[in-house]
Amino acid sequence: QSALTQPASVSGSPGQSITISCTGTSSDIGGYTYVSWYQQHPGNSPKLIIYDVRKRPSGVSNRFSGSKSGNAASLTVSGLQAEDEAYYYCSSYTSSSTFVVFGGGTKLTVL
Amino acid sequence: QVQLQQSGPGLVKPSQTLTLTCAISGDSVSSNSAAWNWIRQSPSRGLEWLGRTYYRSKWYNDYALSVKNRITINPDTSKNQFSLQLNSVSPEDTAVYYCARDLDTATFDYWGQGTLVTVSS
Repeated sequence: QSALTQPASVSGSPGQSITISCTGTSSDIGGYTYVSWYQQHPGNSPKLIIYDVRKRPSGVSNRFSGSKSGNAASLTVSGLQAEDEAYYYCSSYTSSSTFVVFGGGTKLTVL
Repeated sequence: QVQLQQSGPGLVKPSQTLTLTCAISGDSVSSNSAAWNWIRQSPSRGLEWLGRTYYRSKWYNDYALSVKNRITINPDTSKNQFSLQLNSVSPEDTAVYYCARDLDTATFDYWGQGTLVTVSS
């Protein structure tokens, strides 16, 4: 069982927006601004798309945005495109000896 | 551009030692601002951070409690790479293993290509 809780799946039609939630505790998401999101297509390594809650690495589309409130973080994908269909994972720095915790992943289906 | 190239066997027998190597290009294993991590992914455990090595005037290691008694991560400055050794493996250690860089904020910005390691006799 993953330390951060994500919905197993979300879906949306092309052009629509979706939001994926990620719930933790005050020891991880709630206590720090080191929340990241990763996109993973089947057979590929995870790719960083959001870090420090809302920052985007160079080259990542501005259709991806992140936010945080209390012990929960969210990833919003706007203007859905077929290529966005993938698994999405959240992570957070944690004050426990684990250093970092991950969510269980959310499968995004573009209808 | 940082690149991480993994190497190592895809099949390990139970009770033996799993060893993987991650070669770094575009950065240094001795960097004072980066840390070098091993992360694994399996259907049953999801993404699981295993440990890291980093240099801050001297070498440090951090390990996950779940593998702390079985894991060693070593830097190799002569080859600019780092390695993972996981002892006494069991079928539960079957997973895709990744190496990854983080900048001390648990943000993994570069990943290796992944190595599927199967523990089976």
